[in-house]
Amino acid sequence: AQTVTQSQPEMSVQEAETVTLSCTYDTSESNYYLFWYKQPPSRQMILVIRQEAYKQQNATENRFSVNFQKAAKSFSLKISDSQLGDTAMYFCAFMKQVAQKLVFGQGTRLTINP
Amino acid sequence: DVKVTQSSRYLVKRTGEKVFLECVQDMDHENMFWYRQDPGLGLRLIYFSYDVKMKEKGDIPEGYSVSREKKERFSLILESASTNQTSMYLCASTSPQGDYGYTFGSGTRLTVV
Repeated sequence: AQTVTQSQPEMSVQEAETVTLSCTYDTSESNYYLFWYKQPPSRQMILVIRQEAYKQQNATENRFSVNFQKAAKSFSLKISDSQLGDTAMYFCAFMKQVAQKLVFGQGTRLTINP
Repeated sequence: DVKVTQSSRYLVKRTGEKVFLECVQDMDHENMFWYRQDPGLGLRLIYFSYDVKMKEKGDIPEGYSVSREKKERFSLILESASTNQTSMYLCASTSPQGDYGYTFGSGTRLTVV
């Protein structure tokens, strides 16, 4: 079974700083999908970024980028120029096939301080 | 926009009660999921369904059942609520024809007393 581990329960940075959230996973699959989801206090889960394992290029979405290391089974999220609105729980997730079940990590609570 | 609506944002029930958590999506998605969210544990899959009247157990199905009589509605049932089922429950849906993104509801925070 696949597992996803987020080793940082909480993080806190100052506004405008860069922060990196860590995620490792375990799988025997060669192709799969990885995601970062954001859950603000409103509780609405929002997809931040996704990565397909067969793509070597790291995904980027505006201020959000990932460092995908397939051999190391590592998938970290970098937030540049952090903003107060980035304050949220962040979940790393794994999906074996399209539209199948997601396996989530434990979450990292990120606080951006003014 | 796709919407996944969970009928209650907050719910308080007594131990032993039968509890129904309702989830409705409006985009004709085939796949629907129920997750439970607990601090330090992330989201864990309870049940999922890939079609009407179809259901499959997730990682923590004990104490729960589901019903999917119509494509747009996926109900989670706590047959006899217990205090260890106090949690946040999230429903989600997706389509195999889509871009594999999930759409989540905004969650039901259930307290069993």
